[in-house]
Amino acid sequence: EPEVTQTPSHQVTQMGQEVILRCVPISNHLYFYWYRQILGQKVEFLVSFYNNEISEKSEIFDDQFSVERPDGSNFTLKIRSTKLEDSAMYFCASRRGGSIEKLFFGSGTQLSVL
Amino acid sequence: GQQLNQSPQSMFIQEGEDVSMNCTSSSIFNTWLWYKQDPGEGPVLLIALYKAGELTSNGRLTAQFGITRKDSFLNISASIPSDVGIYFCAGFGRGSNYKLTFGKGTLLTVNP
Repeated sequence: EPEVTQTPSHQVTQMGQEVILRCVPISNHLYFYWYRQILGQKVEFLVSFYNNEISEKSEIFDDQFSVERPDGSNFTLKIRSTKLEDSAMYFCASRRGGSIEKLFFGSGTQLSVL
Repeated sequence: GQQLNQSPQSMFIQEGEDVSMNCTSSSIFNTWLWYKQDPGEGPVLLIALYKAGELTSNGRLTAQFGITRKDSFLNISASIPSDVGIYFCAGFGRGSNYKLTFGKGTLLTVNP
């Protein structure tokens, strides 16, 4: 069964460093998302992306965050200057598009900022 | 913004027991989704509900979309040890661009 894949599964970085989290959405999907989950808390929406542009973003998604679809398969989340509070599990998700929808999640990248 | 209240926060049950959890919303949702999350993994979709009053089953799981469109429940019958995990309700309303709002989750522990 097709799935959303994310790399790396774990990322450790120093505060102030840039990180790029990578995702390969399901191949025929058109809508892409990033969510995050701080340890022990609920999953929170960060950003949605369609037709090569951001559709919507949350308050969390400030100027330090950016997303890109550099080619036909990858979808990336960049954090320019990481902060301690950016430590979380980051999930990529995708959906096909249409009136009846299901959102599929990847297994996540655990980001630890030291 | 939209808020989801999920209860209970945690449950400890014996294998074979039935379990029920629910979510209520401060606003109307057009779609309710129930996910299960295992440690270190992403949420896995269990059941999707699209119409008020809809009752849908997936094996031992049954979920309903409340007629007020502000609530949903998930039942698991005859629980087994592999049911252990965190169950999240999630939903989105009209015009939300499929931006999911998640509940805080129900941690289920099943004692063999």
